[in-house]
Amino acid sequence: GENVEQHPSTLSVQEGDSAVIKCTYSDSASNYFPWYKQELGKRPQLIIDIRSNVGEKKDQRIAVTLNKTAKHFSLHITETQPEDSAVYFCAASNDFGNEKLTFGTGTRLTIIP
Amino acid sequence: DTGVSQDPRHKITKRGQNVTFRCDPISEHNRLYWYRQTLGQGPEFLTYFQNEAQLEKSRLLSDRFSAERPKGSFSTLEIQRTEQGDSAMYLCASSSRSNYGYTFGSGTRLTVV
Repeated sequence: GENVEQHPSTLSVQEGDSAVIKCTYSDSASNYFPWYKQELGKRPQLIIDIRSNVGEKKDQRIAVTLNKTAKHFSLHITETQPEDSAVYFCAASNDFGNEKLTFGTGTRLTIIP
Repeated sequence: DTGVSQDPRHKITKRGQNVTFRCDPISEHNRLYWYRQTLGQGPEFLTYFQNEAQLEKSRLLSDRFSAERPKGSFSTLEIQRTEQGDSAMYLCASSSRSNYGYTFGSGTRLTVV
């Protein structure tokens, strides 16, 4: 089955700096890669996703890149703000997201004011 | 439609008791998923349904766990003879092919004492 690894497990950045979180996956059949933000005690919230036929996707301060050959994808947050502090999870799935998700272990991001 | 609803939000039970959780998905979504999340970890897949058919069950789903989606709408997850290790957040999500990507419910937090 699919295995998703995520690094780093914790990340602290100064407000205004950029943050990068990286994930690798094992199943070459995976074709959908979402990123979720989860605040303490709340549900995971989808912040951005990418399909395997696209190499990069951007939404304001958030971008995701995908390297299918190397089987890794990354989340980039620019101009970080205190409200970006949360736990971020990457995930992988087949069938463009209409399938079970395999999650990474999460990255606790702390933005230092 | 207000999204995926889960009930109850919190459940405290004594070890050995049975508990049942309910999930109401987005009405247009034909797939429904159950995940379990423990503190500091990513959600782990338990099982999923397409309409009323249970298509896959994880090895994590022991014989004490059973899930149903009798009419292809809401789903229930029952845990029999609860153990302390069952303490976790149980998340439900739904999806459909026409709208790839998941919507998660707020979860049911189970505490077994």
